[in-house]
Amino acid sequence: EADIYQTPRYLVIGTGKKITLECSQTMGHDKMYWYQQDPGMELHLIHYSYGVNSTEKGDLSSESTVSRIRTEHFPLTLESARPSHTSQYLCASSALKKQGNTEAFFGQGTRLTVV
Amino acid sequence: LAKTTQPISMDSYEGQEVNITCSHNNIATNDYITWYQQFPSQGPRFIIQGYKTKVTNEVASLFIPADRKSSTLSLPRVSLSDTAVYYCLELGRGGSTLGRLYFGRGTQLTVWP
Repeated sequence: EADIYQTPRYLVIGTGKKITLECSQTMGHDKMYWYQQDPGMELHLIHYSYGVNSTEKGDLSSESTVSRIRTEHFPLTLESARPSHTSQYLCASSALKKQGNTEAFFGQGTRLTVV
Repeated sequence: LAKTTQPISMDSYEGQEVNITCSHNNIATNDYITWYQQFPSQGPRFIIQGYKTKVTNEVASLFIPADRKSSTLSLPRVSLSDTAVYYCLELGRGGSTLGRLYFGRGTQLTVWP
């Protein structure tokens, strides 16, 4: 079982509120990712991190921000939530194995609804 | 910007074998082919990974021809619980690949009773 956790699992919040989605992994992985996914649609990478103090924007523009102060923790923040932010947010981490291949693990996701 | 191509959807009946093919014409030498499964409202889950020839685990088999430009995920005797979206990815040690895990639309597999 993958040791990557996201909280909350579900969140319903009013417009204009500040929210932080938590993501933690206990596998010591350097690389972590945030994806956004609408129902029936593909996963879009919105943020990724190569390690502590290293964050970059993904391919889908997002008003959210991320931080990576500790290896195990990669929170995502929305300063002012809007209905257009309603979506599922998935966190993942990956590591390069000795054989040269990569394993990536996902959390269960946070279903965000902004009303 | 997904690097792989796979069918949008497939249908099957319980007990049948399902084969989902993925094209990756520009796969890098060091990249591994990796398949994930995703159920609604959950994160993708790793199924199987391989570099060449055939790999088998308790869930599926993965066939990769010598040119590595395609791969086939084989699910033996599917059940209703195998209904999910299946993604094919290239994962390797290359910086651009590791930095951006690209998921396309995947293949929606629906298993009927």
